[in-house]
Amino acid sequence: NAGVTQTPKFRVLKTGQSMTLLCAQDMNHEYMYWYRQDPGMGLRLIHYSVGEGTTAKGEVPDGYNVSRLKKQNFLLGLESAAPSQTSVYFCASSRQEQETQYFGPGTRLLVL
Amino acid sequence: TQLLEQSPQFLSIQEGENLTVYCNSSSVFSSLQWYRQEPGEGPVLLVTVVTGGEVKKLKRLTFQFGDARKDSSLHITAAQPGDTGLYLCAGVAKTSYDKVIFGPGTSLSVIP
Repeated sequence: NAGVTQTPKFRVLKTGQSMTLLCAQDMNHEYMYWYRQDPGMGLRLIHYSVGEGTTAKGEVPDGYNVSRLKKQNFLLGLESAAPSQTSVYFCASSRQEQETQYFGPGTRLLVL
Repeated sequence: TQLLEQSPQFLSIQEGENLTVYCNSSSVFSSLQWYRQEPGEGPVLLVTVVTGGEVKKLKRLTFQFGDARKDSSLHITAAQPGDTGLYLCAGVAKTSYDKVIFGPGTSLSVIP
């Protein structure tokens, strides 16, 4: 039982490049979330999903896209990376909304 | 403007000292959670409080939810180096459209 896993752990991009962050959970959770964490800002919700095939915008969705083709996977895409997207990205999942969220170890992204 | 404020932002204390960190808002929360995040890892849930005035204890950690459900505190007795980390409060409120929102966190360093 791995819980929530994220790949990659660390990535450096040049401005304008694209990439996809992968999140996987093995707890059969319905809800999945993508957050970014910046110093002094806490965790800010980018996008979330309430089940397979569904996605919704969070607090800071601009510049990101997501997909949930399989219940266990939630992908976060950056089509054209910008330096402002330098951050630590966390994926989380929960059984139901407002219940305990289980977080992955994070992906550290640096955009030059 | 942060819906959830946490204070202090940083705290450095000696092993064995007591400390209290605070989570405040002008909004009423239906529930409030405390997470601890260790360096390089994702947050892990410590406790959830749901009733105004509720007090929960977890070994040396005491959590209190304010009577009006607008604030919470975390008190640590005889801090240990293993308590070092970022303490995040997170709450669900009507003003956050019933989504969980996170505070910016209190970074605690316990010096041996």
